[in-house]
Amino acid sequence: SQTIHQWPATLVQPVGSPLSLECTVEGTSNPNLYWYRQAAGRGLQLLFYSVGIGQISSEVPQNLSASRPQDRQFILSSKKLLLSDSGFYLCAWSSSDRSYGYTFGSGTRLTVV
Amino acid sequence: KNEVEQSPQNLTAQEGEFITINCSYSVGISALHWLQQHPGGGIVSLFMLSSGKKKHGRLIATINIQEKHSSLHITASHPRDSAVYICAVRGGAQKLVFGQGTRLTINP
Repeated sequence: SQTIHQWPATLVQPVGSPLSLECTVEGTSNPNLYWYRQAAGRGLQLLFYSVGIGQISSEVPQNLSASRPQDRQFILSSKKLLLSDSGFYLCAWSSSDRSYGYTFGSGTRLTVV
Repeated sequence: KNEVEQSPQNLTAQEGEFITINCSYSVGISALHWLQQHPGGGIVSLFMLSSGKKKHGRLIATINIQEKHSSLHITASHPRDSAVYICAVRGGAQKLVFGQGTRLTINP
């Protein structure tokens, strides 16, 4: 069966520090991968999505970047965190043939101090 | 105006009541999803709909493509149903557009 792993679960980082959040999917190949952010009191916002290795689409201009070095690995990064980067980050995957819905990771709660 | 609008934003009910959460959207979609987010933040996918109606246990989801409207119903509600329920629509490139969510509280 397919599973998605996201870590860490919580993270407190100082302003200006780098960030790396990792997401991996098991049990499927060539998934579509997504990073979402949920700011406090707000809805989910798509940050990045990827339909294949090295293919990254960005939805909003921001201080973050994403990479997909392997088929089932999706990484969210920042060189220098801002206070406004605080939020709840969710990784998700869907099948490339659209036969299934979305499966979400357990999320990372990031607090930038 | 948001592309996906949910109502109500907050809903408090007594255990056993029949619950309805509504979702209206303004864009063309290939599918609509209902998601459940618990206080810890984790999200579970409840339904994926492209037409008609689906049922899973006490949960029922319906969609009317012509009216661009979907409803999520919970029968015999229970305190463990307390969560944020999110409607999301899938447009092009499989991207989801999310509603703001409905915070449901079921009191015992």
